[in-house]
Order: sequence, then C-alpha cells, then structure tokens
Amino acid sequence: AQSVDQPDAHVTLSEGASLELRCSYSYSAAPYLFWYVQYPGQSLQFLLKYITGDTVVKGTKGFEAEFRKSNSSFNLKKSPAHWSDSAKYFCALEGGGSNAKLTFGKGTKLSVKS
Amino acid sequence: AQTIHQWPVAEIKAVGSPLSLGCTIKGKSSPNLYWYWQATGGTLQQLFYSITVGQVESVVQLNLSASRPKDDQFILSTEKLLLSHSGFYLCAWTGGLSNERLFFGHGTKLSVL
Repeated sequence: AQSVDQPDAHVTLSEGASLELRCSYSYSAAPYLFWYVQYPGQSLQFLLKYITGDTVVKGTKGFEAEFRKSNSSFNLKKSPAHWSDSAKYFCALEGGGSNAKLTFGKGTKLSVKS
Repeated sequence: AQTIHQWPVAEIKAVGSPLSLGCTIKGKSSPNLYWYWQATGGTLQQLFYSITVGQVESVVQLNLSASRPKDDQFILSTEKLLLSHSGFYLCAWTGGLSNERLFFGHGTKLSVL
C-alpha cells in the first residue's frame, strides 16, 4: 500500500518569509514524487517531480523540493514567498511503476499575507 | 502542442438525474486518460483510468461509469446522480510512461441539489 501525508491543512505566513510545506510518504519501493498547485477555482498545475538522483529538485515558479529517504519526506520550499503563492498545494506519489497508481495527499492551503 | 478540453465548465443538476461529462485531448496520440474527483476543499480521488480505446479501469466505486469511445475522448457518466456526487471533476492525461506528470483539464464543477 502507498500513502501520502500532508500534516498541515493550513499554513499562513508573511510575504518575504521562507515557506516549507511538509509531505511524508509511505511506500515499500523507490517512489516517484510530485508537487502540484491549485489556485482558487482553478485546476491543478504541475510544479516539480522527483524520480531519482539529486535530492533537491527545482521546479516552476521558483519552487524546489528536497527528497529525504531517511525520513520519507519530500518537502516543498520557496524563499521568499509572495502573496501570489497563496493556493492549495498537493503532494503526490506514484507507485508500482505506473502513473495509473497516483496517490495524492490531502493538500495544504497556503496563505501569504502581504 | 497538446490541449485538453473539458465540458461543461459547470453543471447544476437534480438528485436522480443523469449526468455526462466529457474530456477531449488534442495533439497527443494514445494518451493515458484519467478522471479525478475532488470534494469541496478536499483531496483528489482517482476514479477511472484508461490506457487505450474501449478499455477503462475503475479505481473507486461511486456509482459512476466511464467510457473511452475514441482515442482522444473520455466520458464520465451516471444515470442517477446522488448528493454525494457534488464536487470538482478533473480529467487528466499522460503520455503513458512511468513518472510522467499529469496534465489536467480546467475541470467541471458539479452541484447536485
């Protein structure tokens, strides 16, 4: 079985601060990990993915994520945060070597105050 | 360039009425296609996926069905809507290889009253 946990339902911070959204996963083999963003009333957009190799992956919109096998985490980071980053962020895991088996976390709603 | 179009953008339907949502992908041959459902404020639940015309796999049972009548088309339907069907329905595609990102449509907001 595979699962994704995003423990923070809401995160609020001030513009200019550093943001880090937490994601942990459970999977018995090497995972493929993704971050997507959903702006209010919109669909999902891809931010970045981790497949293998470097533990820090860079994505779109200035985001990056760090993969840590030791604690099964894939946290999303950006510095500094901008008010336009306010959105809901989803972490996802692909297991079984098939993108038909994609599991999403519950999401973290980020509010950046200007 | 590939494009994905979902229809309708929004629907308000009565409990017990039928439903048909559609999705078309242009510019990509033989894509893997997916239907996701998102309850208001919730996470994404994969409903169906299809890797080829005429073949659809169900992931969860929500009294919904899906069909892929053409290579570029994916249909989600039910004959009787329930209140619990309300939410945001997203169609997505990938090229079919492992670890590929999903490309999502703009979604359909469904309100069942």
